[in-house]
Amino acid sequence: AQTVTQSQPEMSVQEAETVTLSCTYDTSESNYYLFWYKQPPSRQMILVIRQEAYKQQNATENRFSVNFQKAAKSFSLKISDSQLGDTAMYFCALDQGGKLIFGQGTELSVKP
Amino acid sequence: KAGVTQTPRYLIKTRGQQVTLSCSPISGHRSVSWYQQTPGQGLQFLFEYFSETQRNKGNFPGRFSGRQFSNSRSEMNVSTLELGDSALYLCASSLGLGQYFGPGTRLTVL
Repeated sequence: AQTVTQSQPEMSVQEAETVTLSCTYDTSESNYYLFWYKQPPSRQMILVIRQEAYKQQNATENRFSVNFQKAAKSFSLKISDSQLGDTAMYFCALDQGGKLIFGQGTELSVKP
Repeated sequence: KAGVTQTPRYLIKTRGQQVTLSCSPISGHRSVSWYQQTPGQGLQFLFEYFSETQRNKGNFPGRFSGRQFSNSRSEMNVSTLELGDSALYLCASSLGLGQYFGPGTRLTVL
C-alpha cells in the first residue's frame, strides 16, 4: 500500500529564515508524482510545488524548492526567506493514477 | 480562469438525512476528485470522475456516491448521514499534473 509520512507535526521559523519540512513515502510504482500543498487558515488548499519521479532535477518555484531523493523515498520542502503569509498547514502528497495520498501535515508558524 | 467552485460552502444536517454537494471544475479540466478532511483521519480520497465515469474509488461505504455531468461538473451525495460524516469536503479538478482544489463544503451533522 502507498503511504506518505510527515514526521514533524509542528514547526516554527523566524521571518526571513529558511525552514525544511520532511516527507517520506512508500510506493511500488516506478513513475509517479509528488506534491506539496499549503492549507492556510482559510482552508483553501494551494498547490505549492510538484515533482515528477522520473526527473532527477529538483523542482523550484520562487522561494520554494524540494530535495527529492528517489532511492530513499524522501521528498522534503525548503522554504527560503520565510514570510508571515507562509504560516499554514503543509501537506505532502503522492499521486497514484489520479488519487492523491496525503501525509498528516506539518503546521508551520512563521514568527515576526 | 476561474478556480474550482463548490456549493454550498456550509451545511448543517441531522442524522439520517441525505446531502448533495456540488463542484464546478476549472474550465477545460475533465477530471474531478473528492476528498474528505477530518481532524482525526486527515485527508482521505473519496472518488475520481473523468468524462462522466468513475475512474477511482476510495475506501468509503456505499452511502457515499458521486456523479459527473457532460460539462464536467460533479456532485457528491451522502445518504443516511452519521455524526462521523461531519467534515470538510474538498473537490479538486485536474488536467493531469496536479490537482487544484476548491474552497470546500463544511458539513456538520447533528
